[in-house]
Amino acid sequence: DSGVTQTPKHLITATGQRVTLRCSPRSGDLSVYWYQQSLDQGLQFLIHYYNGEERAKGNILERFSAQQFPDLHSELNLSSLELGDSALYFCASSVAEQGAVGELFFGEGSRLTVL
Amino acid sequence: AQSVSQHNHHVILSEAASLELGCNYSYGGTVNLFWYVQYPGQHLQLLLKYFSGDPLVKGIKGFEAEFIKSKFSFNLRKPSVQWSDTAEYFCAVYNNNDMRFGAGTRLTVKP
Repeated sequence: DSGVTQTPKHLITATGQRVTLRCSPRSGDLSVYWYQQSLDQGLQFLIHYYNGEERAKGNILERFSAQQFPDLHSELNLSSLELGDSALYFCASSVAEQGAVGELFFGEGSRLTVL
Repeated sequence: AQSVSQHNHHVILSEAASLELGCNYSYGGTVNLFWYVQYPGQHLQLLLKYFSGDPLVKGIKGFEAEFIKSKFSFNLRKPSVQWSDTAEYFCAVYNNNDMRFGAGTRLTVKP
């Protein structure tokens, strides 16, 4: 158990819908990273938050958005879903200080299936 | 932003064979380097990491990696693989709040 909690574990929805994935980082970790893992594209970095602020953005679509709340949990919102959005979405947390990073601790992922 | 390349998509070995998985990154500045492993049905776990110092890094389960700055490489090695090493292996590079992973290498070890 990494200490990172992601909900829901599985989600099936239809094209055009909107879903929210939730991540609770390990106690004390200020950084949250979101990744998308699909068969054909590997592990794609989406976005990084540190203590409520966006720090880095990767290959995140405009239909996707994220935020980190004052209690440090984070949500990834996926809207206007397409079939190609079906993937495993991972959240990871770390004790990150400016300019450095320690180990990332990954959650078990949220598997999204868009039908 | 930096990019990470893993040369091998799928590697199949017999038990006791030696393993080397390639990883190259594009960023020329100071980076932190990692190898993660994902066993079937599980989340990613850290195998080893390099921040500074000795470029030969030893990790868990007998894995090691060598950082060669001039080649922008951080290859993962294990002298003798076991069936339980069957998993997907990801190289990762961190710089300036950005943590990027390679596409992963699937390792299958035949008993």
